[in-house]
Amino acid sequence: DTAVSQTPKYLVTQMGNDKSIKCEQNLGHDTMYWYKQDSKKFLKIMFSYNNKELIINETVPNRFSPKSPDKAHLNLHINSLELGDSAVYFCASSRGRGNTIYFGEGSWLTVV
Amino acid sequence: GDSVTQMEGPVTLSEEAFLTINCTYTATGYPSLFWYVQYPGEGLQLLLKATKADDKGSNKGFEATYRKETTSFHLEKGSVQVSDSAVYFCALIDIYNQGGKLIFGQGTELSVKP
Repeated sequence: DTAVSQTPKYLVTQMGNDKSIKCEQNLGHDTMYWYKQDSKKFLKIMFSYNNKELIINETVPNRFSPKSPDKAHLNLHINSLELGDSAVYFCASSRGRGNTIYFGEGSWLTVV
Repeated sequence: GDSVTQMEGPVTLSEEAFLTINCTYTATGYPSLFWYVQYPGEGLQLLLKATKADDKGSNKGFEATYRKETTSFHLEKGSVQVSDSAVYFCALIDIYNQGGKLIFGQGTELSVKP
């Protein structure tokens, strides 16, 4: 069983489209995250939710909207996609804040 | 704010060579330290961690010791294999200063030749 799973793994879409990436964890964790990895492989946090409540919201365009329907799911919706949104998006989870964070396999987004 | 600095890559080694990837950090609190690995085309995997000064994390022949006096967490392996070729990320979590978010270094690419 995959601990943190995200879909789709690969996504190619046109500029201006709206897309979603789904994430689910079966580790029983209460804190979930979205990280973005750019073309130089640099990783930066975008959002964090604890028990469905938004606790970290970095400087991210408001075209990006996370949604956490329950503790085990954290989805990422992106409106009006731009070329610069092309990246790898990682979902992750942990048992509380400050503890070890476990990552999903990543979603490779390419905007053309 | 808190930060992590890793040695520049790429690092190219021959199989069975000794590996060191340097990592230093800046933190106002008492962070936990981590090494993650990303194999080509794959996600991030936790390699090892240390939560307090002088702790040694180890896994799959890799090890790193939390050195508070030098604010370092260097990754070492005695004999690398071709299968160790990957990008290695040093990272910290400082719950008291950064609210529990994982702060990464820039990554160091390792290439091991047969």
